[in-house]
Amino acid sequence: QITLKESGPTLVKPTQTLTLTCTFSGFSLSTSGVGVGWIRQPPGKALEWLALIYWDDDKRYSPSLKSRLTITKDTSKNQVVLTMTNMDPVDTATYYCAHKDVVPAAGFDPWGQGTLVTVSS
Amino acid sequence: VIWMTQSPSLLSASTGDRVTISCRMSQGISSYLAWYQQKPGKAPELLIYAASTLQSGVPSRFSGSGSGTDFTLTISCLQSEDFATYYCQQYYSFPWTFGQGTKVEIK
Repeated sequence: QITLKESGPTLVKPTQTLTLTCTFSGFSLSTSGVGVGWIRQPPGKALEWLALIYWDDDKRYSPSLKSRLTITKDTSKNQVVLTMTNMDPVDTATYYCAHKDVVPAAGFDPWGQGTLVTVSS
Repeated sequence: VIWMTQSPSLLSASTGDRVTISCRMSQGISSYLAWYQQKPGKAPELLIYAASTLQSGVPSRFSGSGSGTDFTLTISCLQSEDFATYYCQQYYSFPWTFGQGTKVEIK
């Protein structure tokens, strides 16, 4: 059974850097083709894809946020970390991590429960 | 960037109705499309991937169709537990993108 769980601060101040950790079990990020992605959802709004890291350390970012995002993995700890710099109130959202299966045609499944991050002074 | 137009944004329906949700792409994506269901306060759940493949455990009243630029999610007989928000997502090319969502509410 695959599970993922996000952790990190619930409140950050404007201009600060956000660091979120996704801790997972039930799969290995050293398995060929596997990936972990980050998606966010502002309150009452739609989902927004942020970043994805593959088993081979290939990293992909949303172009609109690329300058502010860094995604890394620690295979030995079964963790993926997302950092976002220069946080702004518009970045207030629930942040999810999700598993991307080895099958290229598969979607994100499953997702973590999400963590709500509020940006406010 | 591949732009997605998901419609309608709001759908009012009754239990037992057949409902369809559309997702149109700005360019062809083959069949690299997924549909998710999200209930209030919960994470999205994968319903369909590869445009028409039902995820394990998902009821057969859900179906997906389409390829290229036009895709459809159909719920053949709406149940009470199906009132939720539905999102499409393309993963044909980066940046991956989601539709704006369709809220299915009780009429």
